[in-house]
Amino acid sequence: DQQVKQNSPSLSVQEGRISILNCDYTNSMFDYFLWYKKYPAEGPTFLISISSIKDKNEDGRFTVFLNKSAKHLSLHIVPSQPGDSAVYFCAARGGSNYKLTFGKGTLLTVNP
Amino acid sequence: DVKVTQSSRYLVKRTGEKVFLECVQDMDHENMFWYRQDPGLGLRLIYFSYDVKMKEKGDIPEGYSVSREKKERFSLILESASTNQTSMYLCASSLSLQAGGYTFGSGTRLTVV
Repeated sequence: DQQVKQNSPSLSVQEGRISILNCDYTNSMFDYFLWYKKYPAEGPTFLISISSIKDKNEDGRFTVFLNKSAKHLSLHIVPSQPGDSAVYFCAARGGSNYKLTFGKGTLLTVNP
Repeated sequence: DVKVTQSSRYLVKRTGEKVFLECVQDMDHENMFWYRQDPGLGLRLIYFSYDVKMKEKGDIPEGYSVSREKKERFSLILESASTNQTSMYLCASSLSLQAGGYTFGSGTRLTVV
């Protein structure tokens, strides 16, 4: 049973435009959400996070929005740059054992 | 910054071999994890450890075992490698399970032929 879902396997945007990556979760016990970015042949690197007590967190070009009632979060990248091309993983913490549960990832391609 | 080091970037092993993947972290983190990443399947947890000599199965432990004899080192063992274990293996550590995110190593690309 997949508790963290990233329903779009891939997304393609033009340089300078907004990228919106979406993530849905099913476990209401999740209390902390993270986004990781992964380049090929490298480990994931932490990008941004949000606690369930907030609905928005911003860090430079990256903003994460959390809608608890809809069990949905999104990552906005503005403006998108070619170097942002990577796989983005949504992750959630909480429940019975506080492990991170990851989604399957979305491949973002930013075209020059 | 926390550093998580995986001993090999690329490995090629034969079917049936016993394979050891090593991971070392340098920040005294309590928790360490082994994931594998496969296209279309994302990151799947194999095993994790919350203390020396303590381990718990993740979502896909079959065919794997782990060892944590020292706090800084967490080893993943493929008892008898099979071709379906060809994958990218990622080690991670965290200060505490309540402290937030993980720090990942660079990964080991294992090919079993």
